[in-house]
Amino acid sequence: DGGITQSPKYLFRKEGQNVTLSCEQNLNHDAMYWYRQDPGQGLRLIYYSQIVNDFQKGDIAEGYSVSREKKESFPLTVTSAQKNPTAFYLCASSPQAGARDTGELFFGEGSRLTVL
Amino acid sequence: DAKTTQPPSMDCAEGRAANLPCNHSTISGNEYVYWYRQIHSQGPQYIIHGLKNNETNEMASLIITEDRKSSTLILPHATLRDTAVYYCIVRPLGAGGTSYGKLTFGQGTILTVHP
Repeated sequence: DGGITQSPKYLFRKEGQNVTLSCEQNLNHDAMYWYRQDPGQGLRLIYYSQIVNDFQKGDIAEGYSVSREKKESFPLTVTSAQKNPTAFYLCASSPQAGARDTGELFFGEGSRLTVL
Repeated sequence: DAKTTQPPSMDCAEGRAANLPCNHSTISGNEYVYWYRQIHSQGPQYIIHGLKNNETNEMASLIITEDRKSSTLILPHATLRDTAVYYCIVRPLGAGGTSYGKLTFGQGTILTVHP
C-alpha cells in the first residue's frame, strides 16, 4: 500500500547524542515536511522540502538538520544543539508543490523520541 | 495565516451528528478552511477543506457561513472511532514562498464519542 513510513516508532537516546529519524514515502509526492508535537500542543513546522536537493527552515529549525537526496526520503537529524528534543515527530508529504498545492498533507504514524 | 478558535472539548453520542464549530473572524479572501483530525498518538488525517461553498465528502460536511468568519464540521453519524482531536486551520491555497507547508495546528477540539 502507498503511504508514509516513519522509523523508528520509539527511540531513546542519551543527552548530547545526535539521532536521525527516517521518513520514506512511496506516494510520488513532491513536497515533504517535518513537524514536532509536544504534549497537549499543536504541530510546529521544523523543515520542509518542495523538491529534491532543496529544503527550507520552518518555524523551529534550530537544532535540527535535514537532507533531501531522493524524492522518496526526507530524514531528520535531531542534533545535540536541540535543547528540548523529547517530543513526538511527524513527517508528512503533499502531492503538489507551489501554485498547485492543495493544502492536503498525508502524515506518517510518527516517531516518539525520548532523551534521557 | 488567520487564527482560529475552537472549543477545547465536545461530547457526542454514538450514531448522532457531531457538529464542531470554528471561528476564523480574521480570515482573508484567499484563505481556505481546512479540517484535520488526530487520533491519539497517530499522525493527523485530512478530512475536508473549502473556500466559501459548503463541501461534502465521504467523511464529513463543511458548512462555511456567508461572511466566512466561522465554519462547522459535521460528522453525520459519529462512531466511537471518530473520537479524536479535530483541528480547524485556515491558510492560502497555493501560497508558495514562506507560507508554504505552514499548516498551523492550534489546540483543536477533543471530540469524545460515547456509547
